[in-house]
Amino acid sequence: GAGVSQSPSNKVTEKGKDVELRCDPISGHTALYWYRQSLGQGLEFLIYFQGNSAPDKSGLPSDRFSAERTGGSVSTLTIQRTQQEDSAVYLCASSPRGLAGDEQFFGPGTRLTVL
Amino acid sequence: SQELEQSPQSLIVQEGKNLTINCTSSKTLYGLYWYKQKYGEGLIFLMMLQKGGEEKSHEKITAKLDEKKQQSSLHITASQPSHAGIYLCGADSGGSNYKLTFGKGTLLTVNP
Repeated sequence: GAGVSQSPSNKVTEKGKDVELRCDPISGHTALYWYRQSLGQGLEFLIYFQGNSAPDKSGLPSDRFSAERTGGSVSTLTIQRTQQEDSAVYLCASSPRGLAGDEQFFGPGTRLTVL
Repeated sequence: SQELEQSPQSLIVQEGKNLTINCTSSKTLYGLYWYKQKYGEGLIFLMMLQKGGEEKSHEKITAKLDEKKQQSSLHITASQPSHAGIYLCGADSGGSNYKLTFGKGTLLTVNP
């Protein structure tokens, strides 16, 4: 029973570069969430995947951010042309059914630093 | 949109002391979640409350949701250094609103 895993654990990149962050949810969980945690902003919702439904992208801060979930399992969050304000910890979570009231299980996060 | 305010922002206590962290919502809470986070780690689920007046306990941690479902408190009895970390409350608005909105967290330090 592995938990949610994320890679890399740390990523340092230069301004303007693209980065990809990976999330492996708990097997069998249909819902997957991305959150961002930055100083002074707390934890912010980014995007939500539920089964084969269209993802809820309402939390993505700009069109430089995108995410995919292949085969209903692994997800990749891509940030294009990174900016310094993108520096944050990116957390992925999964839940069994994606319903209100379901516990969300969080991964350890990817700490992104944009120089 | 729902906003959660946590207080205090930070707290330093001596080992063995009791403490309380509060989480107040701008809207009625449908599900209130408490998580703990240690630096560089993910969030560890503590408890979830859904019913007005509900109270849950796990080891030395007790969480309560008020009758009006707009405020929750997290109480730690006889604190230990292992309780140190950031405590976050999160809330969903019920129905199909599956996203969690989080407070900014309370940083707890427990001095031995």
